[in-house]
Amino acid sequence: GAVVSQHPSWVICKSGTSVKIECRSLDFQATTMFWYRQFPKQSLMLMATSNEGSKATYEQGVEKDKFLINHASLTLSTLTVTSAHPEDSSFYICSASEGFGELFFGEGSRLTVL
Amino acid sequence: GENVEQHPSTLSVQEGDSAVIKCTYSDSASNYFPWYKQELGKRPQLIIDIRSNVGEKKDQRIAVTLNKTAKHFSLHITETQPEDSAVYFCAASSGGGADGLTFGKGTHLIIQP
Repeated sequence: GAVVSQHPSWVICKSGTSVKIECRSLDFQATTMFWYRQFPKQSLMLMATSNEGSKATYEQGVEKDKFLINHASLTLSTLTVTSAHPEDSSFYICSASEGFGELFFGEGSRLTVL
Repeated sequence: GENVEQHPSTLSVQEGDSAVIKCTYSDSASNYFPWYKQELGKRPQLIIDIRSNVGEKKDQRIAVTLNKTAKHFSLHITETQPEDSAVYFCAASSGGGADGLTFGKGTHLIIQP
């Protein structure tokens, strides 16, 4: 199957700093990528849909100025958590589809804000 | 929007027994229903999916059934093994694919040796 790589797998930062997470489709082109947030023992909550070459579509309740998404190419989308605070600590996962239905997930990035 | 309910939240079965996880959805336009398995600290992986033009699909020990009239679908795992222990998520979308997937809250499946 297709491979989606996410980096970094974990990051610890100080409150007030910004953190960038990368999501790459390694062997296919993904016009659309998705970003999710997952709290411990909870489901995947869609944060935004990232479209190559256009602005991301954010889900209700997700601050677009807080979670900046850039999909600059068909194989790379980035999520930047700006001015991170402890409540932003979470597991962030991206996913992408080749367009045939199956969704491939990245490894996830665990963010801890001190 | 779509709302997906998943039950139970935790399921413990003896090794070798069967496990059934059930989901209901609210949007009658939904036509794609995948199931994902997520082991602790790892990414979710697709284990089986079904589209609305099919009522049942089977892949070795795993099967999924879909009842469009009742708007519910179920995951069946037979002859459970320790490696089946994980969190399972159902999902639904109306786009026929990955776009707009709404996930259930997950079921923690525990296989007792």
